[in-house]
Amino acid sequence: DTGVSQDPRHKITKRGQNVTFRCDPISEHNRLYWYRQTLGQGPEFLTYFQNEAQLEKSRLLSDRFSAERPKGSFSTLEIQRTEQGDSAMYLCASSLIRGQSNTEAFFGQGTRLTVV
Amino acid sequence: ILNVEQSPQSLHVQEGDSTNFTCSFPSSNFYALHWYRWETAKSPEALFVMTLNGDEKKKGRISATLNTKEGYSYLYIKGSQPEDSATYLCAPDTGTASKLTFGTGTRLQVTL
Repeated sequence: DTGVSQDPRHKITKRGQNVTFRCDPISEHNRLYWYRQTLGQGPEFLTYFQNEAQLEKSRLLSDRFSAERPKGSFSTLEIQRTEQGDSAMYLCASSLIRGQSNTEAFFGQGTRLTVV
Repeated sequence: ILNVEQSPQSLHVQEGDSTNFTCSFPSSNFYALHWYRWETAKSPEALFVMTLNGDEKKKGRISATLNTKEGYSYLYIKGSQPEDSATYLCAPDTGTASKLTFGTGTRLQVTL
């Protein structure tokens, strides 16, 4: 296993277009997170999955954002009708939940989105 | 919403200086605290996962302490080197299988 991978690494899109990002977590990890990072800030929580179930979506997230993890393995994050404010680094992380605690999370290298 | 605060927001030190920064978190419902290092153009990497009050963990020149009763953790770097330049993030875990919520981080820059 080569760790968490994200695709694409960079995406430039025109305002109003839809974009989709993919995350492949570490294979035995049951927990998958999506975060967003803008300049000078820490990772902002977007949503997370336990296996295929989406457990929570940030209240700050508009309906233009949707995420799936259909078979409990890879996940996709789609942004519809992109806006310039969506420009950010989108990070995916995976971890293993043992009992009620998180083991350390492993992050992908992120997808940098630029909306022009 | 879990309130996680890190201070200072940024720090600029000279090579060889020792430094430390703070992560504050709610002391109630505490299970563990995660520290991560995020270097520019790389992925965040876990440094420590700490659970016990009074615990101290060390990795090379970096160490961390934990006070669960008052809700804070310190990260120390001894003899800072340019390669320590990164953003240091903390995330408390309430042990209820909840999400990891990160602080805004401390951005450290070490210059020659």
